[in-house]
Amino acid sequence: DAKTTQPNSMESNEEEPVHLPCNHSTISGTDYIHWYRQLPSQGPEYVIHGLTSNVNNRMASLAIAEDRKSSTLILHRATLRDAAVYYCILAGGTSYGKLTFGQGTILTVHP
Amino acid sequence: DTAVSQTPKYLVTQMGNDKSIKCEQNLGHDTMYWYKQDSKKFLKIMFSYNNKELIINETVPNRFSPKSPDKAHLNLHINSLELGDSAVYFCASRPSGTTDTQYFGPGTRLTVL
Repeated sequence: DAKTTQPNSMESNEEEPVHLPCNHSTISGTDYIHWYRQLPSQGPEYVIHGLTSNVNNRMASLAIAEDRKSSTLILHRATLRDAAVYYCILAGGTSYGKLTFGQGTILTVHP
Repeated sequence: DTAVSQTPKYLVTQMGNDKSIKCEQNLGHDTMYWYKQDSKKFLKIMFSYNNKELIINETVPNRFSPKSPDKAHLNLHINSLELGDSAVYFCASRPSGTTDTQYFGPGTRLTVL
């Protein structure tokens, strides 16, 4: 499985934008970049995913580098409810949906 | 309406016992998974079933046996429980033909004493 590297932790203030980076230099052409988050005492929750182009949804935006070796999850206005562990995961079409979670980034949001 | 549900939410048991955790999804998905999150918070896939057929079986002791009576249910039976089995177990499901977006249940915290 292609590996991802994320900072262990990041901090933000409420209502400020947050940029969560992820490096994936060994990404293959068929790997999608997925982001999930896990709020305290809950199961992981899908946030966003993309292949080559930047993506937006109601939760976040995903900016993918042109060479696809890195990506950034953008929370436009962090709220206290966004405090969670954020996982950047590569998943290919032949993996039967297997998600390989790394250590993730612990996001702390200050009021 | 809960999309992916697990029972029980908490399970405390003695070493050597046999226990089961149940998972049900009402999303109409074809594929279901079991993940284990240990005390260090690492999430690892254990099993996956697609339409009642086992498609992923990671290196898991054979004391763990998944059973899928139908595509909406994936249960996990654990024999001869050990201290190291203490963890939070998450069930997840995914629709076919999608790019791996999975929906997770709330988790079952298993404590083996």
